[in-house]
Amino acid sequence: DAKTTQPTSMDCAEGRAANLPCNHSTISGNEYVYWYRQIHSQGPQYIIHGLKNNETNEMASLIITEDRKSSTLILPHATLRDTAVYYCIVKGRDDKIIFGKGTRLHILP
Amino acid sequence: DGGITQSPKYLFRKEGQNVTLSCEQNLNHDAMYWYRQDPGQGLRLIYYSQIVNDFQKGDIAEGYSVSREKKESFPLTVTSAQKNPTAFYLCASSLYRGRTGELFFGEGSRLTVL
Repeated sequence: DAKTTQPTSMDCAEGRAANLPCNHSTISGNEYVYWYRQIHSQGPQYIIHGLKNNETNEMASLIITEDRKSSTLILPHATLRDTAVYYCIVKGRDDKIIFGKGTRLHILP
Repeated sequence: DGGITQSPKYLFRKEGQNVTLSCEQNLNHDAMYWYRQDPGQGLRLIYYSQIVNDFQKGDIAEGYSVSREKKESFPLTVTSAQKNPTAFYLCASSLYRGRTGELFFGEGSRLTVL
């Protein structure tokens, strides 16, 4: 089973920040949090990952709580092209990578 | 260009037939994966391989088989024992075995059983 829990769907207005939450209360100390997104009928695309510090790249920011039991992916200025399913994954040294059902993000014009 | 290539993109088969989906990567990645996706669902892990000549079952391995004879290739055979094979199949690879490493995905193969 997936080690993460995400809302099934979310809406966000175009141009606003999209904040996607993820709970991973059983995460262990050496496990990373990864985010991917999947646009319809394509393979998932890597977005960002982190261990305990907040991370930012050209696509998004990742905020991880101090206890590491939850995280938030932030898309700072959402566009219609950000409409996709977003997956939060916990990965350790074991290469068995399990995806949950993700969050379906709808960007509203 | 480097990447993962899956073929065929679309495949039709009759019930009772085995079919093999190809996955090739030229990224020099150690680990490779096969996932299945049904409409409106997330990805489910079928098999994964961390090194040549070794692979492990995922959550839904029954009715599937794989081989890893070369680092760059990880074909998946959908056998007649798989009861509901119609699905979207995704292959992925990862650079670092046992460490952090993002997954790179192919474009997928859509299998339909007639």
